[in-house]
Amino acid sequence: GNSVTQMEGPVTLSEEAFLTINCTYTATGYPSLFWYVQYPGEGLQLLLKATKADDKGSNKGFEATYRKETTSFHLEKGSVQVSDSAVYFCALSDVLGAGGTSYGKLTFGQGTILTVHP
Amino acid sequence: DADVTQTPRNRITKTGKRIMLECSQTKGHDRMYWYRQDPGLGLRLIYYSFDVKDINKGEISDGYSVSRQAQAKFSLSLESAIPNQTALYFCATSDRTGDETQYFGPGTRLLVL
Repeated sequence: GNSVTQMEGPVTLSEEAFLTINCTYTATGYPSLFWYVQYPGEGLQLLLKATKADDKGSNKGFEATYRKETTSFHLEKGSVQVSDSAVYFCALSDVLGAGGTSYGKLTFGQGTILTVHP
Repeated sequence: DADVTQTPRNRITKTGKRIMLECSQTKGHDRMYWYRQDPGLGLRLIYYSFDVKDINKGEISDGYSVSRQAQAKFSLSLESAIPNQTALYFCATSDRTGDETQYFGPGTRLLVL
């Protein structure tokens, strides 16, 4: 079955540091890939996504590139802020096959806690 | 107003009690989902519904049941709560048009004593 593996946390950084959170996946077919963010006390919200190989998703200074050859979708940000402190989830969509028809379900990684200090 | 709402936001109950968590959405989406979140385990799918007459079990449906009362409402029930159902529960919605993005409610924190 499909699975998502994220780097172990928690991750603690100083403000303006470079961030990488690794995500690798196992899937059949051609899934879409997502990063969701969960701020304290809130639900998950979409941060960025990529729907096919070599696509780059970006939002709020975060980026991730869909690498089919390495089955990875690592999240990066060049300069983090205290307000980026949150839990980050990598996820992939279940798909039917080469045609890309979606089952409509997501498989999530275990989440990575990020804390940014001033 | 929030597009996906959940009630209650917090609930404390005792072992053996029946409880219901409710989810409502104003996004007009056909698809709705219930997840639970446990530390270190990410989100796990409990049940999902692709329309009012289509309800499916997820990976951890034992001990739970659901009801899709209308396109906009999807309720999760614990028939006889047990302590290991203590968790954070999320409802989510998505559109059937092929955009797999899911939109989450704020969550219900449940404690079973």
